[in-house]
Order: sequence, then C-alpha cells, then structure tokens
Amino acid sequence: KAGVTQTPRYLIKTRGQQVTLSCSPISGHRSVSWYQQTPGQGLQFLFEYFSETQRNKGNFPGRFSGRQFSNSRSEMNVSTLELGDSALYLCASSETGSNYGYTFGSGTRLTVV
Amino acid sequence: DAKTTQPTSMDCAEGRAANLPCNHSTISGNEYVYWYRQIHSQGPQYIIHGLKNNETNEMASLIITEDRKSSTLILPHATLRDTAVYYCIVRPFTGTASKLTFGTGTRLQVTL
Repeated sequence: KAGVTQTPRYLIKTRGQQVTLSCSPISGHRSVSWYQQTPGQGLQFLFEYFSETQRNKGNFPGRFSGRQFSNSRSEMNVSTLELGDSALYLCASSETGSNYGYTFGSGTRLTVV
Repeated sequence: DAKTTQPTSMDCAEGRAANLPCNHSTISGNEYVYWYRQIHSQGPQYIIHGLKNNETNEMASLIITEDRKSSTLILPHATLRDTAVYYCIVRPFTGTASKLTFGTGTRLQVTL
C-alpha cells in the first residue's frame, strides 16, 4: 500500500507570493490533516478535512487555507507569504472510524526568502 | 484534549531497553494514549496506542498505570535508528478523525 505522498518535497518562494502544497492520502483514507512544524513552535495543527469538509481548524490566520477533493486528495494554500511561514508542512491521513493513528507524509519543506 | 508532560531528553545505550515516561494526569475516560516518534526531518511515525490495558506490538510496549494518569513506552532493545523525538498524545476516539495535539516530546539519544 502506498504511503502518504506530499509534493513538492522542497520549495523556495519569495515574500508576498502564494504557494499550493499537495497531499495524496493512503488509498481508502478519507481524513486528511495538515500540520506546520517550525523549530520555535513545534508541530502545530492547521486544519483537518473529512469527505471534502473542513472539520477542525487550528489557530492560523486566514492566509492559510485548504481543500479536499472527492478522491480525498488535499491541497493547502498559503497566500501573501511571510518569512515566518518557512517551515516543514506535514500532511497526515487516517482511516475512517479507525482507532489507529495517523500516517504522516514526509512533508514539504517551504523556505520563504 | 488532555495535556501530557514528558522529559525533555533521555539517553540510552544501544541494546538496552529505553523507557520513556509520560504523565497525563487529566486524561478522560474516553481518551486513548498514543505514541509517535519523529526521526530528524521526517514525518511523525505512529508507534502504538492504548486505552487502559498494556499493549505490545513489533515496535514497542506500552504500559499504562491502573489509574491511567501516566504511561511508559518501552523500546526493548534500542538501536541507533531509534534516536528520535518521541511524542505522547492523548485524544478521544470519536469514530471520525480528530486532530492530534503534539507537545514538545522527549528527545531520545541512543548511543554506542
């Protein structure tokens, strides 16, 4: 079974630009969550999607948004990038109704210059 | 979600058992204890979870105290590849997905 796939692996953007990150969950997983990881703040929850609906949202500004498609693939978008948005962005998928944990992708390393 | 407290760092000699403690004194009756680890620059990896009984899988054992206020993750024969940050998380099982709240974790250093 293929794991969670995140693309791209690395990205460099300029302040003020926008960026879109992609996540393909494990086949059959309908829940996709996004996390931001920085050295200073650790792993922070961004949002979670289930069957194309946002179920939970973390404490991030409106510049951070996401969506989920009918095939459960998800994208997150960050507009008007700031230097502080430089981070590892992680996506995790989970099987519906399962007690087992989330499976994380390897992440996208975003650098804003 | 209940809050967890873990030591900041621990060392373990290769081949010995690594015992990682976690305090979750405010855990609710419907909350499970999950353990994840993160090896440098990779996504967190699920290790094990439990409700009130001790659990064992191919990676580790989880010992939960009878009052459920604390737990210990045991890596029976630590190797250098077990060097990572280990996160203890408590969350309810709702039947649908819910967010994971990561604390600062324990940085385990396995040495020769």
